[in-house]
Amino acid sequence: QVHLVESGGGVVQPGRSLRVSCAASGFTFSTYAMHWVRQAPGKGLEWVALTSYDGSNSHYADSVKGRFTISRDNSKNTLYLQMNSLTAEDTAVYYCARRVSFGNYYDYWGQGTLVTVSS
Amino acid sequence: EIVLTQSPGTLSLSPGERATLSCRASESVSSRHLAWYQQKPGQAPSLLIYGASSRATGIPDRFSGSGSGTDFTLTISRLEPEDFAVYYCQHYGTSPPITFGQGTRLEIK
Repeated sequence: QVHLVESGGGVVQPGRSLRVSCAASGFTFSTYAMHWVRQAPGKGLEWVALTSYDGSNSHYADSVKGRFTISRDNSKNTLYLQMNSLTAEDTAVYYCARRVSFGNYYDYWGQGTLVTVSS
Repeated sequence: EIVLTQSPGTLSLSPGERATLSCRASESVSSRHLAWYQQKPGQAPSLLIYGASSRATGIPDRFSGSGSGTDFTLTISRLEPEDFAVYYCQHYGTSPPITFGQGTRLEIK
């Protein structure tokens, strides 16, 4: 069955960088667009970034544009989010999510990885 | 950017009662682009409804979605104890950004 497992979260100082990963299994990763969605503690869901099935096309929320980079390695079935110039406002659980093949919604989510930006 | 406003913020009901959750879009959207998710404490969101009214695989028929244009509704016909959670609507159109409503917390009265 489909599994998405995030990793790489932790505590990082303001202004520093962190990369989180999402390991996919149970499906043909290279044929699906993938997204990152985050949730600040006690808050709602915020879309962060998306990448097309082959990594050729990416889009970002205004709040992270220029600081975050989404990428994927289809040979490793892994999605990444490189986060630079982190601020306290980036503190959140980061989820990866799979977009369905034909439709505009997510059918599978990972369990999330917590990123805490604090000095 | 489509802004989604959910109401009420919190809904207090008893098991067996009917729940009606609202999601209003800042401008008319295609029903194909409107989805609902359920999130229980400590868990990732999970898909409930897509295309405004289609139930996801394994979702019981007490959950139903309806609406068009700017007004969409998630209805739970008869609440079960496991239905008490936070519910989010999502707009995922033909171009980014993807947006979520702020959520409705459904709590046991």
